[in-house]
Amino acid sequence: EAQVTQNPRYLITVTGKKLTVTCSQNMNHEYMSWYRQDPGLGLRQIYYSMNVEVTDKGDVPEGYKVSRKEKRNFPLILESPSPNQTSLYFCASSLKAGTDTQYFGPGTRLTVL
Amino acid sequence: DQQVKQNSPSLSVQEGRISILNCDYTNSMFDYFLWYKKYPAEGPTFLISISSIKDKNEDGRFTVFLNKSAKHLSLHIVPSQPGDSAVYFCAASWIYGGSQGNLIFGKGTKLSVKP
Repeated sequence: EAQVTQNPRYLITVTGKKLTVTCSQNMNHEYMSWYRQDPGLGLRQIYYSMNVEVTDKGDVPEGYKVSRKEKRNFPLILESPSPNQTSLYFCASSLKAGTDTQYFGPGTRLTVL
Repeated sequence: DQQVKQNSPSLSVQEGRISILNCDYTNSMFDYFLWYKKYPAEGPTFLISISSIKDKNEDGRFTVFLNKSAKHLSLHIVPSQPGDSAVYFCAASWIYGGSQGNLIFGKGTKLSVKP
């Protein structure tokens, strides 16, 4: 089944404790992206990757890191999480950026205390 | 500054009637527009799209209209069903440097279809 998977689905952590949210797709997509969804703000892009070893900042990259060492995986790293990073995170992938349909993962709800 | 605007946070419609969700954009470079639907506890799913060379695209009960001069698009759902109750996101993209651009999303409109 073609899908985007994210882990964990739910996470409660404390300020400053490094964490990684994994994202994996099995569709051989070149493009992958991370978004955060906050009430009243919609979906905002954090980082994106056009292909392996190619990543770039989205609209709200501060406090986040990503890597794209292989095509299927695109982890989101929070080196020192803060409460303002409490949010619902979505990973997405598409064959290419822009007009190709983006497939979204089920989301990761992160709470930083 | 917001480039894709969905000015109605919510919309309530009776089952069987038409739902019209609106979206405005400010960037004239946008040339591809999409609608995504999101249910609670799930990721957004693609619904329908339209290229700037068209003014209408239809898929079953869903039709998207694009008015380039007004920088406005709308999603019509006819007839509306209770299962259509979800948050709808409008998104826009553009072509640059020979590559497709990233998607810019609106804030979403929560549609409630009453039985």
